Amino acid sequence: EVQLVESGGGLVQPGGSLRLSCAASGFTLSRYWMTWVRQAPGKGLEWVANIKQDGSEKGYVESVKGRFTISRDNAQNSLYLQMNSLRAEDTAVYYCARDPGIDFWSGYDYWGQGILVTVSS
Amino acid sequence: DIVLTQSPDSLAVSLGERATINCKSSPSVLSSSNNKNFLAWYQKKPGQPPKLLINWASTRESGVPDRFSGSGSGTEFTLTISRLQAEDAAVYYCQQYYGNPVTFGQGTKLEI
Repeated sequence: EVQLVESGGGLVQPGGSLRLSCAASGFTLSRYWMTWVRQAPGKGLEWVANIKQDGSEKGYVESVKGRFTISRDNAQNSLYLQMNSLRAEDTAVYYCARDPGIDFWSGYDYWGQGILVTVSS
Repeated sequence: DIVLTQSPDSLAVSLGERATINCKSSPSVLSSSNNKNFLAWYQKKPGQPPKLLINWASTRESGVPDRFSGSGSGTEFTLTISRLQAEDAAVYYCQQYYGNPVTFGQGTKLEI
C-alpha cells in the first residue's frame, strides 16, 4: 500500500525556519517525481515545488524561490522541504504528493494527509 | 505562468441531478509531443487530501465512479458529475502540469 506521511510542521515565528519531511512507503521513491502542495486557511491549492527522481531538477513557485529548498533521499525513502525566512503568508497545510508520470509529468495520484505550518509571533 | 480560471466559483445542485464545472486555461495545455492535454481534476473535502479524479483531461482514475467525467481540449475543459450523491459535496480543482510552475484553478465549491 502506497503511503506518504508528512512530519515536521508546527508553530514558528516570522523569519524562522522549519524542515518538513515526507516518509514514503509501498513504492520505489526513486522512480517518481515528487511534489509539495500547500493550502492556506480558507484558500485554494497552491503548488510549491517539485523534484526529479534523482534530484537533478527542481522547480519552485515564485513566492518561495530563494527561501524554500526541496530535496530527497531515495535511500531513506524520504522527501524534504527546507523552509527558511518564513512569512505569515506561508501558513498552510503542506502536502507531499507523488507524480506518477513516466515520460511526462502527470496529475498527482497519491497524497499525504498533510501537515500544518503556522507562522505567527 | 499558465492561468486556470474555473467557473462558477460555487454551485448548488440537487441530489440525482448533474453538475458541470468549467476550467479555462491560458495558454493551451495541449502538448504537440503526445497530443495530450496536461490537465487534471481533483476533489477536495475538509480535512482530507485532494483526490485525483481525472487525468489527461478525460482519463478517469481507477476506482473513481463513472459518474465523474472530464472533457475538453486546448484551453476549455469541463468536469461533469452525473447522478449527484450527497458525498459529492466538495471543492473541485483543475490543475495543469504542462510546465512549471504547475498551477491550480481557484476551485469550485459544490453543494448538494
